[in-house]
Amino acid sequence: GQQLNQSPQSMFIQEGEDVSMNCTSSSIFNTWLWYKQEPGEGPVLLIALYKAGELTSNGRLTAQFGITRKDSFLNISASIPSDVGIYFCAGLGDKLIFGTGTRLQVFP
Amino acid sequence: ETGVTQSPTHLIKTRGQQVTLRCSSQSGHNTVSWYQQALGQGPQFIFQYYREEENGRGNFPPRFSGLQFPNYSSELNVNALELDDSALYLCASSLAWGQGEQYFGPGTRLTVT
Repeated sequence: GQQLNQSPQSMFIQEGEDVSMNCTSSSIFNTWLWYKQEPGEGPVLLIALYKAGELTSNGRLTAQFGITRKDSFLNISASIPSDVGIYFCAGLGDKLIFGTGTRLQVFP
Repeated sequence: ETGVTQSPTHLIKTRGQQVTLRCSSQSGHNTVSWYQQALGQGPQFIFQYYREEENGRGNFPPRFSGLQFPNYSSELNVNALELDDSALYLCASSLAWGQGEQYFGPGTRLTVT
């Protein structure tokens, strides 16, 4: 099935560091969403973006809807151990398409 | 406000059998979508139900079918199970059709042996 390209595939960082990840698509989307998934759980919605160029924050998380509408970015500032998990982007066209995921590990 | 719930949590079936998974949507949400998540991958869209009708489908064969009930709860049925159907099945609800913010349940882990 179709998936969006996320990078990096995984990240191993120290507590307190900032994190950046991105998501690219060959298709245009009208909505971009970012989710976090922890083991044994469903994805949890972090941020929703509805307009090209939009920059939205949720606490230490900031996401941007790319100008071309084909990409999106997520930044996490001052990472903490509970940030550990898999982060997925998702683009909404006629259906919601997910990215391949970025696995984040945070070491104290 | 009650979130999305799914049952059962885990299920083991034999190849060729049929399975039914259940989902209760978040209070006030009238649209339900189902996803299949294989190990190490992102969720793949199976189909979406709005007002008790299927109104969008991903690249899944007809042996994957669903229902939505008047109270907006939903079922996913899979016939003639194959080994590759082993996955986490996720249900998500949203406030309205076409609305991007989908809220997921914890999933049902299906193992086909």
